[in-house]
Amino acid sequence: AQSVAQPEDQVNVAEGNPLTVKCTYSVSGNPYLFWYVQYPNRGLQFLLKYITGDNLVKGSYGFEAEFNKSQTSFHLKKPSALVSDSALYFCAIEDYGQNFVFGPGTRLSVLP
Amino acid sequence: DTAVSQTPKYLVTQMGNDKSIKCEQNLGHDTMYWYKQDSKKFLKIMFSYNNKELIINETVPNRFSPKSPDKAHLNLHINSLELGDSAVYFCASSYDRSSYNEQFFGPGTRLTVL
Repeated sequence: AQSVAQPEDQVNVAEGNPLTVKCTYSVSGNPYLFWYVQYPNRGLQFLLKYITGDNLVKGSYGFEAEFNKSQTSFHLKKPSALVSDSALYFCAIEDYGQNFVFGPGTRLSVLP
Repeated sequence: DTAVSQTPKYLVTQMGNDKSIKCEQNLGHDTMYWYKQDSKKFLKIMFSYNNKELIINETVPNRFSPKSPDKAHLNLHINSLELGDSAVYFCASSYDRSSYNEQFFGPGTRLTVL
């Protein structure tokens, strides 16, 4: 069965610094990978996805993620963090019609 | 012009009651979902419907019954509410059931069972 791990419950970064939110996965085939963001008291919002092709995908709000098949990772990155990026970030996986599985979430705090 | 809407936003009720949560999407999507987010923020799929037909039914107590009167609506009815049902319930939709489609989420319904 597929699974998603986000090894850090919390990531703190200073405003203006680069940020990374980590995600690793386990799946039997080739995965479709997603990142979502959840602001307080809101639903999840789609940021970006990897389906196929270029391993570096770019998404909303300046975020990008790199698919690394050998390391089974899909880390989310942004070159310069904003205080408004503070939120809960979820990595998710879908494996060819299997259930959509979300990671446990990582809380990002960007400090001014 | 909300894409995915849910009502009510908050629901406080007593154990043993029956309640419903409504969801509507105006995106013209074929597929809709219900998720449960617990107090630790874990998010787990409960049901998925495609064009009014059930396609995913996770291990959910049969007190939970989804109903899709048309492809724009997916309602969730819960019988005999229990304390453990307290959570935030999210509705979502996607263009179709293809695995590569992202999902659009509603704002959530916070259910508190006393």
